[in-house]
Amino acid sequence: ETGVTQTPRHLVMGMTNKKSLKCEQHLGHNAMYWYKQSAKKPLELMFVYSLEERVENNSVPSRFSPECPNSSHLFLHLHTLQPEDSALYLCASSQVTRSSTDTQYFGPGTRLTVL
Amino acid sequence: AQKITQTQPGMFVQEKEAVTLDCTYDTSDQSYGLFWYKQPSSGEMIFLIYQGSYDEQNATEGRYSLNFQKARKSANLVISASQLGDSAMYFCAMRDRTSSNDYKLSFGAGTTVTVRA
Repeated sequence: ETGVTQTPRHLVMGMTNKKSLKCEQHLGHNAMYWYKQSAKKPLELMFVYSLEERVENNSVPSRFSPECPNSSHLFLHLHTLQPEDSALYLCASSQVTRSSTDTQYFGPGTRLTVL
Repeated sequence: AQKITQTQPGMFVQEKEAVTLDCTYDTSDQSYGLFWYKQPSSGEMIFLIYQGSYDEQNATEGRYSLNFQKARKSANLVISASQLGDSAMYFCAMRDRTSSNDYKLSFGAGTTVTVRA
């Protein structure tokens, strides 16, 4: 595997379900990100983990719970979601150097539909 | 406040022709980076090209080039010799300082490019 992978690619869930999205990066990076992409909206940053420590929350509802067990893996745990949470969820990774040059590399995304 | 503005929601281009996608940005930081990403219908965001604010030359990567006009705060993407596989959504993004020790990446709304045979 190379780059950034995400599973599942598609997910349909009811509002009472609990599910998790998984992201894995094979680039040796030290930072990982979750973004939400809704129709007709710019990408919204949800969470940032740098060196496995969460450094950004961006006021995301508590029904989204991230987990970063190590620098290569990132999870997004979902519970009691709302239909408006239906979106494409993108994971990204980068090598943080605290400069403007960090390029983020994205995974293929998980297309989530909440019924 | 909108940091990245892409004014063209959609564009059509004939195969083998060039197309320019507009991007303007707003920042008070002197050190920043500008990125373009391509998102096909499959969903993956593919990194295309990077331009640093201190770079004196415009960035180029194969058929992609970035027309960087710092005084105008614009970073237009030029795709030369368009191919059918270039049909996708294109996002301009900027990474600049949001606090004393932190940088963030902000995305524009995107431009949909459709290449016609």
